[in-house]
Amino acid sequence: KNEVEQSPQNLTAQEGEFITINCSYSVGISALHWLQQHPGGGIVSLFMLSSGKKKHGRLIATINIQEKHSSLHITASHPRDSAVYICAVKEDYGGSQGNLIFGKGTKLSVKP
Amino acid sequence: NAGVMQNPRHLVRRRGQEARLRCSPMKGHSHVYWYRQLPEEGLKFMVYLQKENIIDESGMPKERFSAEFPKEGPSILRIQQVVRGDSAAYFCASSLNRGPYNEQFFGPGTRLTVL
Repeated sequence: KNEVEQSPQNLTAQEGEFITINCSYSVGISALHWLQQHPGGGIVSLFMLSSGKKKHGRLIATINIQEKHSSLHITASHPRDSAVYICAVKEDYGGSQGNLIFGKGTKLSVKP
Repeated sequence: NAGVMQNPRHLVRRRGQEARLRCSPMKGHSHVYWYRQLPEEGLKFMVYLQKENIIDESGMPKERFSAEFPKEGPSILRIQQVVRGDSAAYFCASSLNRGPYNEQFFGPGTRLTVL
């Protein structure tokens, strides 16, 4: 079993729809990242969070540390949101800093 | 303020050749990380370096792979005697510090194809 699981693996939505991508992890963490990767392109960091909720434009990220779960929401989705969304956690070794562990990504396609 | 730079963006090598991938961190960043993304797989940590030091290479294959981050110049990921299985996208990231809440900024990646 992977330490970081994302769902769904693939997601197709119509423009304007509200989108949710989920991430569950099995290790203790100090922080969780949401990343965006466009086809053939680089990786952009969207959020880094360790508790609560963060909002940036149409993107909202939440994390529940007790349940070891995070969600990424996109409101009023647009075709330009089409990309792979990757969840990554920074493992906490109790003071010693772990490395990033990545989910396999959720491929989002937003149709006009 | 330029972001993380990687070059080349695309690299084609024949089996047995050497591949050298370069990463220039963001200005002021002294922590560099290398990740590999195999086709249809997630990103995997390879190595973490600070200037002139390898801090954690637990994700590096034991043979043929090496990394350095000299006092001057970019970080280099070197793959000797490449094989087809080395074909992947290699991403570099940098951060200002190493603490848990320090964000990593990613470069555009180098896509290595081994013929």
